[in-house]
Amino acid sequence: KAGVTQTPRYLIKTRGQQVTLSCSPISGHRSVSWYQQTPGQGLQFLFEYFSETQRNKGNFPGRFSGRQFSNSRSEMNVSTLELGDSALYLCASSRDRSYEQYFGPGTRLTVT
Amino acid sequence: AQRVTQPEKLLSVFKGAPVELKCNYSYSGSPELFWYVQYSRQRLQLLLRHISRESIKGFTADLNKGETSFHLKKPFAQEEDSAMYYCALLQAGTALIFGKGTTLSVSS
Repeated sequence: KAGVTQTPRYLIKTRGQQVTLSCSPISGHRSVSWYQQTPGQGLQFLFEYFSETQRNKGNFPGRFSGRQFSNSRSEMNVSTLELGDSALYLCASSRDRSYEQYFGPGTRLTVT
Repeated sequence: AQRVTQPEKLLSVFKGAPVELKCNYSYSGSPELFWYVQYSRQRLQLLLRHISRESIKGFTADLNKGETSFHLKKPFAQEEDSAMYYCALLQAGTALIFGKGTTLSVSS
């Protein structure tokens, strides 16, 4: 079974720009969660989508948004990038609540 | 507020020595707790969860509600156990609240 895939793997953007990251879950998984990983704050939950609906949201500003498509693929968008948004963004998929979350390799975003 | 604390950033042991990675949590309710592991150049993966009560790769973890702890233990460390270990608490069935992680280094 293919694992969770994320594209692109690396991204360099300039402050003020916006960025879109993509995540393809494991086949049959309908829940997709996003996490931000930084050296200072560690792993932090951004949001979770299930059947195209956001079910849970972490404590991040509105510049961070996401969506999920009917095939369960998900995208997250960060607008008006700040230097502090430089991080590894991880996507995880699962069948539903309380099932094991399988993580992708992450997208490394660098904001200059 | 829900919180997971891993007090040690780095734990260094010799091969064959016992290992205990500490994890304390703060949660109002019945917690669902996990240990995730990240080996070098690999993605984050689930090691074990408390409800399964399994032993994976020789590791076990017992939930102690009185002490709000979920420490990870292994009686005899192996060099291949060297990795970053994260304790995590599941909130609302979907959001993992992670500790800051502990790097385990096992040397011969």
